[in-house]
Amino acid sequence: GNSVTQMEGPVTLSEEAFLTINCTYTATGYPSLFWYVQYPGEGLQLLLKATKADDKGSNKGFEATYRKETTSFHLEKGSVQVSDSAVYFCALSEGGGATNKLIFGTGTLLAVQP
Amino acid sequence: DAGVIQSPRHEVTEMGQEVTLRCKPISGHDYLFWYRQTMMRGLELLIYFNNNVPIDDSGMPEDRFSAKMPNASFSTLKIQPSEPRDSAVYFCASSLVNEQFFGPGTRLTVL
Repeated sequence: GNSVTQMEGPVTLSEEAFLTINCTYTATGYPSLFWYVQYPGEGLQLLLKATKADDKGSNKGFEATYRKETTSFHLEKGSVQVSDSAVYFCALSEGGGATNKLIFGTGTLLAVQP
Repeated sequence: DAGVIQSPRHEVTEMGQEVTLRCKPISGHDYLFWYRQTMMRGLELLIYFNNNVPIDDSGMPEDRFSAKMPNASFSTLKIQPSEPRDSAVYFCASSLVNEQFFGPGTRLTVL
C-alpha cells in the first residue's frame, strides 16, 4: 500500500542553519505530495505542495521538489529561525486525489535554538 | 472564512462518561476527516465522509466510537463509554480538492 517515510527527529539546529528533512514515499499512480507544519498547540497547516514530477513547492522560504526517480520530497530551508520550531509532516494523496484522503508520515520535530 | 471550527477545545471527563466532539467544516468543502493524535501512535485517520456519507471508517478503534454527519455543515464524533486510553487530541479537517484544512483540535482527557 501507499506509505510515507520521514527522517526521525528531533532535529536541533542553531538559528540561520540550513535545514533538510528527508521524506520518501511509496505509491501507485501519481500522487500529489505535501508538507504540513504543526506549531505547538495548533492543528496542522499546509506549508507547500507539488502535484507532479519535477514540480517545486515553496512557501515562507521552505522548498521541496517532487522527485519521481528517487520517490522523494525532501523539505529544505536555507536559514531557519526560532519561529520555525514545529513538527513537520510529509504526506501524499491516496488515489491520485480521487478520495482526498492523505497518507501522513510520522512527523519530524524541529527545534531551532537562538 | 473562519476555517474549520471545533468544539470544545478542551474536554475533561471521567471514565465511563459519554463524550461528543463537534466540527463545522469550511463552507463548500465536500470531504470531512476525523483524526486522533497521540504521542505514542502519532496522527491516525479515524473516519472520513464525502458529501455527508461515511466512506471509510476502518480507523475507528472500537464500537465505542461513532461519527455522524447529518448535514454539510456539521459532524460529531462520539465516544461512549470513554476510557483513559482515549485521551488524545482529536482533529477535524475538511477539503474540496486534495488539500486538507485542519481545525485547532479538541484535547480530550479521560480520568
